[in-house]
Amino acid sequence: EAEVAQSPRYKITEKSQAVAFWCDPISGHATLYWYRQILGQGLELLVQFQDESVVDDSQLPKDRFSAERLKGVDSTLKIQPAELGDSAMYLCASSRTWDLSYEQYFGPGTRLTVT
Amino acid sequence: EDKVVQSPLSLVVHEGDTVTLNCSYEVTNFRSLLWYKQEKKAPTFLFMLTSSGIEKKSGRLSSILDKKELFSILNITATQTGDSAIYLCAKGEEYGNKLVFGAGTILRVKS
Repeated sequence: EAEVAQSPRYKITEKSQAVAFWCDPISGHATLYWYRQILGQGLELLVQFQDESVVDDSQLPKDRFSAERLKGVDSTLKIQPAELGDSAMYLCASSRTWDLSYEQYFGPGTRLTVT
Repeated sequence: EDKVVQSPLSLVVHEGDTVTLNCSYEVTNFRSLLWYKQEKKAPTFLFMLTSSGIEKKSGRLSSILDKKELFSILNITATQTGDSAIYLCAKGEEYGNKLVFGAGTILRVKS
């Protein structure tokens, strides 16, 4: 069964350092999402791609976060510089199209700890 | 931002008990209501509800949506330790494919 792949699974970094996370969606899925989940809180959408285009990045802290999906397939989320408050689980999800009749499939996540 | 509120925040039950998890949402831009189960890693899809009053079932789990009162419930009967997880509710917005998530309910089933 096809799955969303993410790496690394765990990342520990010092504040002010740069970190990058990678996501490979299910083959053929046009829509890709990056979410942040802080313990005890819901998932917060950071950025949504339709193919290679950003369709929603309203919650992305653009002074330090960036995301790209250059060829419309895999995607990278970067944080530079990392801050203590960025410690969270970063989840990637994909869906076949933007139409909500298709469910979003989540990857295993990257747990980031900033020290 | 439109809110999705889940209750209770956490719940501890014994095996065999029946539990009801609640999710309320704001009506703006509503298209669907989704439930996910999150164990140690990725959330997995349970149900998507779009019509009021129609129950969806999957084994011991069932869910229903009330679009008049703006809430949904997730029922789990004859709970098992494997049901221990975070249950997430999300409102699907009408335009685009954006999901607005609640904070989740942490369920722990004791043997």
